[in-house]
Amino acid sequence: GEDVEQSLFLSVREGDSSVINCTYTDSSSTYLYWYKQEPGAGLQLLTYIFSNMDMKQDQRLTVLLNKKDKHLSLRIADTQTGDSAIYFCAERGPPTGGGNKLTFGTGTQLKVEL
Amino acid sequence: DAGITQSPRHKVTETGTPVTLRCHQTENHRYMYWYRQDPGHGLRLIHYSYGVKDTDKGEVSDGYSVSRSKTEDFLLTLESATSSQTSVYFCAISDAPQGSSGANVLTFGAGSRLTVL
Repeated sequence: GEDVEQSLFLSVREGDSSVINCTYTDSSSTYLYWYKQEPGAGLQLLTYIFSNMDMKQDQRLTVLLNKKDKHLSLRIADTQTGDSAIYFCAERGPPTGGGNKLTFGTGTQLKVEL
Repeated sequence: DAGITQSPRHKVTETGTPVTLRCHQTENHRYMYWYRQDPGHGLRLIHYSYGVKDTDKGEVSDGYSVSRSKTEDFLLTLESATSSQTSVYFCAISDAPQGSSGANVLTFGAGSRLTVL
């Protein structure tokens, strides 16, 4: 089945850029997503990118997609302490009758230090 | 959390007891999902529903059953809880039309933490 991999931890200093990486195996992925999970909370959608795009920018967030290498990254500019959280990459395959089933990565714990 | 309520939020139970987790939505979304979150595994899909009384298995469905008797409620049942089912359970909803090619994002509840002793 589909597989999505992420590194488990990332530590950055406040004000620096963070880059969180993700690799996936499903070549038929249609959309790729980044979700953020703060302690004790559910997942919140940060952004998503369609598979025929290679970049998407949304304020401090930049998503880069290398479809050939099946590599997705999330760059957070000017990282703040409020960005400390777990970040999940997820992919969605082609449309099916089962709706929007996503396959999630293991999550990357981002720690922002002063 | 966009009209999704999970209950209970925390539960401690003993091995062999039945447990039911409830997900309630006020968004009238067609699709509902149950995921479990475990360290090192991320989120894994247990079961999902694509309409009232229409459900299907996810990748880790063994030991779990679900029911959806009305649009707003999706129940996850552990018939006989085991320690391996200690986890945080998340419900999610989406309004993806069947076969849709759009982004159709998932919206998640706050989670239910289950401990099986």
